[in-house]
Amino acid sequence: DAKTTQPPSMDCAEGRAANLPCNHSTISGNEYVYWYRQIHSQGPQYIIHGLKNNETNEMASLIITEDRKSSTLILPHATLRDTAVYYCIVRVGSGSARQLTFGSGTQLTVLP
Amino acid sequence: EAGVTQSPTHLIKTRGQQATLRCSPISGHTSVYWYQQALGLGLQFLLWYDEGEERNRGNFPPRFSGRQFPNYSSELNVNALELEDSALYLCASSPRGVGAEAFFGQGTRLTVV
Repeated sequence: DAKTTQPPSMDCAEGRAANLPCNHSTISGNEYVYWYRQIHSQGPQYIIHGLKNNETNEMASLIITEDRKSSTLILPHATLRDTAVYYCIVRVGSGSARQLTFGSGTQLTVLP
Repeated sequence: EAGVTQSPTHLIKTRGQQATLRCSPISGHTSVYWYQQALGLGLQFLLWYDEGEERNRGNFPPRFSGRQFPNYSSELNVNALELEDSALYLCASSPRGVGAEAFFGQGTRLTVV
């Protein structure tokens, strides 16, 4: 699976949009981009994933660049409860599901 | 719909003992993954089971083992416990299908004293 690069930490003001970047310059054509978050000492929570088109769900939006070498997770109106470590993961999507390989992620702190 | 459930929530063992951790996947999910997260560290992949077979294994010694049952639930066994095995053990499950996402349980906190 392709390696990802994320900033170690970011701050965001409550109520503002949080934009979390991820670089995955070696991504292959059959690899999906997944985002998870982990609130302290809890199990990681699935947020969203995509292949090449932008995706949106009730939690967030995922913007993938046309060349697929980077992506941005957008939390449109961040709240204090969004403070967590956010992981960007690239994983092969063909055939059976495979394990997710977690990096160090981005610690997002939402400030009041 | 019930999520991934893990038991027990907390487990205290002494060095040298064996620990058994259990995971029930979301109904309809055939793959189960196990991860270890030591305090302050990242999630390290341990094992992946699918359709009752071990599909992949992380960089852990053989005393970490497991199995998946016909109902797709899974056990993780850790033999000859060492102090550094103290960690949060997380289980995740996913269905078959291209790009299928995985969902995690809340983990078992294992403490080795």
